[in-house]
Amino acid sequence: KAGVTQTPRYLIKTRGQQVTLSCSPISGHRSVSWYQQTPGQGLQFLFEYFSETQRNKGNFPGRFSGRQFSNSRSEMNVSTLELGDSALYLCASSSGQGVHGYTFGSGTRLTVV
Amino acid sequence: SQQGEEDPQALSIQEGENATMNCSYKTSINNLQWYRQNSGRGLVHLILIRSNEREKHSGRLRVTLDTSKKSSSLLITASRAADTASYFCATDSTSGGSYIPTFGRGTSLIVHP
Repeated sequence: KAGVTQTPRYLIKTRGQQVTLSCSPISGHRSVSWYQQTPGQGLQFLFEYFSETQRNKGNFPGRFSGRQFSNSRSEMNVSTLELGDSALYLCASSSGQGVHGYTFGSGTRLTVV
Repeated sequence: SQQGEEDPQALSIQEGENATMNCSYKTSINNLQWYRQNSGRGLVHLILIRSNEREKHSGRLRVTLDTSKKSSSLLITASRAADTASYFCATDSTSGGSYIPTFGRGTSLIVHP
């Protein structure tokens, strides 16, 4: 079965702009989680969506938002980009029920200049 | 939320040697997972060990869990150059009905051919 697909793979944006990243989970998976990975902070949890509802949220400012569609695809949006938002953004797919390993996409590398 | 801490931060060995990485955490957990990440890519789930388990094996991987010491170890036997990657432990926190893995900063493993 197809893995987790994240698009785009790379992105360069200017400070102040906004960006939308996309994640298509494994077919049948209803949970999508987003993480930000930077050398300084490691992997930080952003939020989790399950059946189109945000079920959990990490400690990120309101500039970071997301949504999930009825087909479980998810998007995350970052508005008013800052230099510090440069990171690898990873999305993880799971069934969303019980205990299980996550399947990660290859990530979107965002560079803010 | 708690975070696992991997040790050492970096490990450099020769092909054929064993590699051992440790993870310590602060509060009680339900499960602990180990993931691997090749440079700039997504994370790959390796193994999940539950709090009532002490040891699990998967191919050349051996994971132990000592809940009394709040620590886990990942042993890779007979390492190969292809094992070069970063390895992360993830402890879970239960929130909103789901288990959200919280990642440490990882151990960077280099296996020299």
